[in-house]
Amino acid sequence: GIQVEQSPPDLILQEGANSTLRCNFSDSVNNLQWFHQNPWGQLINLFYIPSGTKQNGRLSATTVATERYSLLYISSSQTTDSGVYFCAVDLGGNQFYFGTGTSLTVIP
Amino acid sequence: NAGVTQTPKFQVLKTGQSMTLQCAQDMNHEYMSWYRQDPGMGLRLIHYSVGAGITDQGEVPNGYNVSRSTTEDFPLRLLSAAPSQTSVYFCASSYVGASQETQYFGPGTRLLVL
Repeated sequence: GIQVEQSPPDLILQEGANSTLRCNFSDSVNNLQWFHQNPWGQLINLFYIPSGTKQNGRLSATTVATERYSLLYISSSQTTDSGVYFCAVDLGGNQFYFGTGTSLTVIP
Repeated sequence: NAGVTQTPKFQVLKTGQSMTLQCAQDMNHEYMSWYRQDPGMGLRLIHYSVGAGITDQGEVPNGYNVSRSTTEDFPLRLLSAAPSQTSVYFCASSYVGASQETQYFGPGTRLLVL
């Protein structure tokens, strides 16, 4: 199956700092999504981004499909950004493969 | 809309017992799926369905059965629970064929098998 690798595995930031999370995948994908899992376990979709760049407030994402990676940018981080960030990819067969996540802790 | 709902929130089973995890969505989504989340391993797809009457296996289907008799409901059955099935289970749904196939997740069911 496809390999989905995320880096870094853990990240600790001071409130207000910026960060970049990376997702590498081993095959061409039909669909790529970024999710945030909050400390209570709820999974929230952040971006559907199989290619190109999107922005939503302090978050933005870029996927370079030809080079098989995606980046999630978090600017001016807040304590509410804490949690685990996952990327998930679909090869076109309705089967999503998740990475192991980046655990982010934002310190006040 | 209630979105994606899951019951129960938490369950303890003994090895060999059976149970059904319930999942329902009120967004008229065609695609529904079940994942399990284990520490340090991300989410892994168990089974999925692209519409009523259609189901298929995901990455880790062994020990689980599913059925999809209605668009709204997608129950996951454990016929004979094993300690290796201790995990957090998430149900998700989305449109199929839409230009943006955002997945919506339920709140999860924590299962402990003793």
